[in-house]
Amino acid sequence: AQSVTQLGSHVSVSEGALVLLRCNYSSSVPPYLFWYVQYPNQGLQLLLKYTTGATLVKGINGFEAEFKKSETSFHLTKPSAHMSDAAEYFCAVSDRSGGTYKYIFGTGTRLKVLA
Amino acid sequence: KAGVTQTPRYLIKTRGQQVTLSCSPISGHRSVSWYQQTPGQGLQFLFEYFSETQRNKGNFPGRFSGRQFSNSRSEMNVSTLELGDSALYLCASSLAGVGNEAFFGQGTRLTVV
Repeated sequence: AQSVTQLGSHVSVSEGALVLLRCNYSSSVPPYLFWYVQYPNQGLQLLLKYTTGATLVKGINGFEAEFKKSETSFHLTKPSAHMSDAAEYFCAVSDRSGGTYKYIFGTGTRLKVLA
Repeated sequence: KAGVTQTPRYLIKTRGQQVTLSCSPISGHRSVSWYQQTPGQGLQFLFEYFSETQRNKGNFPGRFSGRQFSNSRSEMNVSTLELGDSALYLCASSLAGVGNEAFFGQGTRLTVV
């Protein structure tokens, strides 16, 4: 069964510093991978996704993620944190085989940005 | 283009009651999924509907049920509410096919007292 592990339930960075949120997945086949962001009392908003092709994926708000098959990772980065980036971030994998249509989400990482 | 709409946004119910939540997907999206989000369990998949058929179901008791209408609108129902059912319920719609991103509604915050 597929699974997603997000290392660090809470991450704090200073404004202007690099943001690195870690995600590792477990899948028997190349997966579809996603990063979502959630602001308080809101739904999830897609930041970026990897399906096939280029392993470095650029998303909205300056975020990007790199798919590394050898490390089964899909870490999210942003060169310079902004106060508005404070939110909860979820990594997700979508099953690519067997005809199932569901997302498996990680437990989330809450990002705090310090002034 | 309108996004995913969930109604109501907030609900307070008493233990033992039942509740129905509604979700209107993005126009053209035929796949609708439901998730329960709690601080302790995170995001958990409830079920997914496509063209009025349930295609996938998570590990939830039979008190949780859903349906989808011919216009792709979906409802989920929880009967005999328990305190532990208090959560944010999220609906997501997507185009058919694995790999298409899910678009989420703002959720319905259910509080069971």
